[in-house]
Amino acid sequence: QVQLQESGPGLVKPSETLSLTCTVSGGSTSSYYWTWIRQPPGRGLEWIGYIYYSGSTNYNPSLQSRLSISVDTSKNQFSLRLRSVTAADTAVYYCATYMVVGATGWFDSWGQGTLVTVSS
Amino acid sequence: SYVLTQPPSVSVAPGKTARITCGGYNIGSKRVHWYRQKPGQAPELVIYYDNDRPSGIPERFSGSNSGSTATLTISRVEAGDEADYYCQVWDTSYDVLFGGGTKLTVL
Repeated sequence: QVQLQESGPGLVKPSETLSLTCTVSGGSTSSYYWTWIRQPPGRGLEWIGYIYYSGSTNYNPSLQSRLSISVDTSKNQFSLRLRSVTAADTAVYYCATYMVVGATGWFDSWGQGTLVTVSS
Repeated sequence: SYVLTQPPSVSVAPGKTARITCGGYNIGSKRVHWYRQKPGQAPELVIYYDNDRPSGIPERFSGSNSGSTATLTISRVEAGDEADYYCQVWDTSYDVLFGGGTKLTVL
């Protein structure tokens, strides 16, 4: 099974850009869909967006204007950039694999998650 | 907008059967997936495609989906099943959606 590990700053200032990287082992980013999900403290899960290894993306409409997800198959990594962050973006951020079958998909491997706090 | 509705909490005695529901308009026409999240841990897939189990998930976990309600059923509940459970679907308009989550308490 694929293993995923998130990395990046744990503290970001308001109005700045949140940047995270997910490193994939036990599998290749040259296949599958790769996704980001977040969970504000004490709250539920929110899908952020996903990228196919070819580079095509699909984003949560509520975040789309601030969001960019990219993949680097040479490094077996994919990344998240969320611009103009506010305190509402404080959350545990998870990377995961997204299995697509027909008109549905599910998340079958998850990273351990990384807490990002937006604060000055 | 499409909304998935879960009860905030469900309580069950050890050895009994827990049923966690996920309501949505005509959800029976969609495929539902379920995740378990223990405190301080990442979510884990327990049911996909309505009623398929990933390897390593015991047969005590099953799912059903019809009409406006999908249900995760956990038979012979154990203390280790205590966790938050989330349903998830794919919707043509909103792509990936999660339910609000249900906290399962084992009495």
